Amino acid sequence: AIQMTQSPSSLSASVGDRVTITCRASQGIRNDLGWYQQKPGKAPKLLIYAASSLQSGVPSRFSGSGSGTDFTLTISSLQPEDFATYYCLQDYNPPYTFGQGTKLEIK
Amino acid sequence: QVQLVQSGAEVKKPGSSVKVSCKASGGTFSSYAISWVRQAPGQGLEWMGRIIPILGIANYAQKFQGRVTITADKSTSTAYMELSSLRSEDTAVYYCAREISSSWSNWGQGTLVTVSS
Repeated sequence: AIQMTQSPSSLSASVGDRVTITCRASQGIRNDLGWYQQKPGKAPKLLIYAASSLQSGVPSRFSGSGSGTDFTLTISSLQPEDFATYYCLQDYNPPYTFGQGTKLEIK
Repeated sequence: QVQLVQSGAEVKKPGSSVKVSCKASGGTFSSYAISWVRQAPGQGLEWMGRIIPILGIANYAQKFQGRVTITADKSTSTAYMELSSLRSEDTAVYYCAREISSSWSNWGQGTLVTVSS
């Protein structure tokens, strides 16, 4: 199975900061990767699909990049509502795999 | 817009089975795969398996092979996930999600399954 290594596992940042989260796949997955935001008690919410496409309704401060094995989620200017846990998910081929998650906390 | 509505919370004894449903409304059900994902308390997301309703073909994560069965009823636009031989470690929230080319924009609300003697 393809392993997804996500880093960092946690991140402390301030409102207005620029933050970057990365996921590395153990083998090439083209651009078959999505980024999800999850808040406590809620289902994951899609932010980015196909590695770099912004989901409708998601603020433009979120962006994704990468292809093959290395992927990045960037939040250009953190807002209070962005403090949450973020996951990458590869759906190149089953079995699909999530990254371990990045908990973004307020500094 | 597709909505996925899951069945309610369950409390099960160790060794028993649970079957969680996921009913789709507002869109085409059969053409897109439905995946099941679980999240144990305080833990990350874990993919369990998926089914393509129009084909009736299911794939499972190795970890759950032999214990999980995912099915779909096209007539009612409902997918099911049955997990057997339950143990305390299976206590988790179980989600269904619709896959559309790396765009999993539709998720169920989650179903809490508690395994306790």
